[in-house]
Amino acid sequence: GESVGLHLPTLSVQEGDNSIINCAYSNSASDYFIWYKQESGKGPQFIIDIRSNMDKRQGQRVTVLLNKTVKHLSLQIAATQPGDSAVYFCAENGGGGADGLTFGKGTHLIIQP
Amino acid sequence: GAGVSQTPSNKVTEKGKYVELRCDPISGHTALYWYRQSLGQGPEFLIYFQGTGAADDSGLPNDRFFAVRPEGSVSTLKIQRTERGDSAVYLCASSLGQGVMGETQYFGPGTRLLVL
Repeated sequence: GESVGLHLPTLSVQEGDNSIINCAYSNSASDYFIWYKQESGKGPQFIIDIRSNMDKRQGQRVTVLLNKTVKHLSLQIAATQPGDSAVYFCAENGGGGADGLTFGKGTHLIIQP
Repeated sequence: GAGVSQTPSNKVTEKGKYVELRCDPISGHTALYWYRQSLGQGPEFLIYFQGTGAADDSGLPNDRFFAVRPEGSVSTLKIQRTERGDSAVYLCASSLGQGVMGETQYFGPGTRLLVL
C-alpha cells in the first residue's frame, strides 16, 4: 500500500552544522505534510507544515522543502543545537482533509559536540 | 488546559483484562484522533472524531478496540481482553476540526500500556 517513509534511520551531525532530514512519500493524493519532533518519553511535537500548493516554507531555524514531482519532502535545521536531538517524523494526510495522518518510521538525529 | 492531556501516563495490566485510556483535547478543538505507536515506529492512526461522532475508525485493529467521545470533548479509548501485542504508547491528538484541508494535529504525551 501507499506509505510515507524516510531514507535514513539515523543521522549524526556536528553541533552548529546544518541538518537535512529526508522523506519520500508515495500517496499522490496527499496535500498536506507535517514534520514532528519526538523526544524520548514524549509525544510528537509540531515543527512545521506545508501544503501541496507550496514548495518551500520557512520557520525559525527550520525549512521544509516539497518536491511533488519526485514525491520528496525534506526538513532542514540550521545551526543544529544539542536540543535538536530527537526522532523526526514526516507525516501526510493522504488528501483526506482533517483525517488521520500517515507517519514514516522516523529519523533519529544525533548531535555530536 | 494549554495542551492535550492523557491519563494515565502509564498503565500495566494483565492479559485478558479491560483498560480505558483517557484524552482531554485542547479547548475548542472539535477534531480528536487516537494513534498507537510501537517501539521504534511512527504513530499509526486508529480513529478520528469530529465532535461526538467517529468520522473514521478504519485504523482500529479489531473489535476489541472501541472509543467514545460522548460530549464532544474528552475521549476514552477502550480495549477489551487485552493481549500482549497491545503493548504500545497510545497517543491522542486534537485539531481545530475545520475539516476542509489538512490542519495541524497537536499531540498529548501518550499513555504507555504494558500488557503482561
